Amino acid sequence: KNQVEQSPQSLIILEGKNCTLQCNYTVSPFSNLRWYKQDTGRGPVSLTIMTFSENTKSNGRYTATLDADTKQSSLHITASQLSDSASYICVVILTGANNLFFGTGTRLTVIP
Amino acid sequence: EPEVTQTPSHQVTQMGQEVILRCVPISNHLYFYWYRQILGQKVEFLVSFYNNEISEKSEIFDDQFSVERPDGSNFTLKIRSTKLEDSAMYFCASSGDRYSREFFGPGTRLTVL
Repeated sequence: KNQVEQSPQSLIILEGKNCTLQCNYTVSPFSNLRWYKQDTGRGPVSLTIMTFSENTKSNGRYTATLDADTKQSSLHITASQLSDSASYICVVILTGANNLFFGTGTRLTVIP
Repeated sequence: EPEVTQTPSHQVTQMGQEVILRCVPISNHLYFYWYRQILGQKVEFLVSFYNNEISEKSEIFDDQFSVERPDGSNFTLKIRSTKLEDSAMYFCASSGDRYSREFFGPGTRLTVL
């Protein structure tokens, strides 16, 4: 069964600190993996897109890594800001498919 | 940055009624999608649409659901006879090609009473 699992479910960090969010997937055959940020009550916004041949992709303070052998990805956020408070969702796409498999997300709260 | 827009932002309806949710995708995009998110749960794929036809749909997208691109700019989702469990946030999305970034709209919150 195609699944995308994320950990932790929720995380609270102090402003300015770094954090790393994890994603494990069983989606196969795998095409690409994306990280999205979703503010409460809003649509998801794409942060990074990685194909199976890419190991890392950065977008400002966000750095995503991918290990296609172990089917794991991580999203590292550096120097967190209050505006980083949101849900971060790992999304995987099947090869040949035209839909996204969403993880359950990690709820990040950055406190002053 | 171009945006996907959705109307209405909130729709309240009685069980058994028909609803139409509207979306205006980004103008030069070719792929269109509907997703839903039940409160507190993950986002779920409903349907993808390309070249004026459904290219993929999930198990959720049964005969009660239909999509249409009536005039080349709007993309609609119709639910024929709403059920209580259809209450959710419905997101429209579009992308320029199959594997590029999808842009999501702000969502329509559907409440079925």
